[in-house]
Amino acid sequence: DAKTTQPPSMDCAEGRAANLPCNHSTISGNEYVYWYRQIHSQGPQYIIHGLKNNETNEMASLIITEDRKSSTLILPHATLRDTAVYYCIVRVGANAGKSTFGDGTTLTVKP
Amino acid sequence: GAGVSQSPSNKVTEKGKDVELRCDPISGHTALYWYRQSLGQGLEFLIYFQGNSAPDKSGLPSDRFSAERTGGSVSTLTIQRTQQEDSAVYLCASSLGVSRVGTGELFFGEGSRLTVL
Repeated sequence: DAKTTQPPSMDCAEGRAANLPCNHSTISGNEYVYWYRQIHSQGPQYIIHGLKNNETNEMASLIITEDRKSSTLILPHATLRDTAVYYCIVRVGANAGKSTFGDGTTLTVKP
Repeated sequence: GAGVSQSPSNKVTEKGKDVELRCDPISGHTALYWYRQSLGQGLEFLIYFQGNSAPDKSGLPSDRFSAERTGGSVSTLTIQRTQQEDSAVYLCASSLGVSRVGTGELFFGEGSRLTVL
């Protein structure tokens, strides 16, 4: 699996959009970008994934650059409950074997 | 149950004792993963099972750690002769693991918190 690089921490004002970047410059053509988040003392939770097209679901939007070397997770209207550690990983897909999680980005949403 | 179930949720043991941690994956999920998370750290991969294939044990930190998965379902992670540095939250995840391109979402349990005194 390709490695990812994320900033260690970010702050965001409640109600504003949170934009979390991820660098995956060594991503392979068949690797997807997945985002998870981990709220304190809970197991990580899947948010969204994509290959090359931008994706949106009820939780977030994922913007992947054209060269696929980086991506941004967007939480459009951050709430205090979005305070968590956000992990960006890349993996081939269903039968991908182990997935390497980095240290993620700690997002703190402030009132 | 609907999700990944792990037990015990908390385990306190004495240095040198053996411990077993259990993971019950989502029904029908053929892939199962174990991760370790030390306090304030990210997830450290330990072992991966996929169907009847030989497991990927490349993340196990020492020969004191072992895991098995019986009948392609429940998995047990065993730590022998526990050390204080083994204290961490042990997370289990499962996924469909079939060749549906684009799937691969990992579903995590709530973890087993191990404290070695």
